Amino acid sequence: EAGVTQFPSHSVIEKGQTVTLRCDPISGHDNLYWYRRVMGKEIKFLLHFVKESKQDESGMPNNRFLAERTGGTYSTLKVQPAELEDSGVYFCASSHSPGQITDTQYFGPGTRLTVL
Amino acid sequence: QKEVEQDPGPLSVPEGAIVSLNCTYSNSAFQYFMWYRQYSRKGPELLMYTYSSGNKEDGRFTAQVDKSSKYISLFIRDSQPSDSATYLCAMSYTGKLIFGQGTTLQVKP
Repeated sequence: EAGVTQFPSHSVIEKGQTVTLRCDPISGHDNLYWYRRVMGKEIKFLLHFVKESKQDESGMPNNRFLAERTGGTYSTLKVQPAELEDSGVYFCASSHSPGQITDTQYFGPGTRLTVL
Repeated sequence: QKEVEQDPGPLSVPEGAIVSLNCTYSNSAFQYFMWYRQYSRKGPELLMYTYSSGNKEDGRFTAQVDKSSKYISLFIRDSQPSDSATYLCAMSYTGKLIFGQGTTLQVKP
């Protein structure tokens, strides 16, 4: 069974440009999460989808970030316009059983975003 | 104050040593405690989880939770060079994970 995949693995853009990150969860997983790790800091939650609905977007830093999950399958995270402080590694995770605290989240390899 | 505190290290030990990794947390609402392992350029991988105070053992790994002190530990026995990675503690809260900063461990042959 394929794991969580993310594309691209690395993106280098200039300040003010737009970048779109993609996450393909494990097949059949209704829960999809986005996290971010900026250099020297801990991994932080951004948002949580249950199927195509945003369950919790309390971690989204500002309105330059837009996440979508059309059809409840893959998800995209768009940053527009990108700022220097957006640099970091963006992780996607998916899990199977909503509402259970013991539900294991499986992480993708991450997208390393560098904003110059 | 961070919700989860974890010493980032780095921690360097000789092969065969017992490793102790620790986290403290501030939110008593946390119920589910996990340890993730992350190799370089990879995503975090769940190593162990527990949701009660006490010890849980899995091979060379033991996870320990003390809810009264808000303190969790991961012990690695007979450490191997392949254990060299970053170890992240995490707590589950309303579905999302709250991570510590991660401790980088190097096991030298």
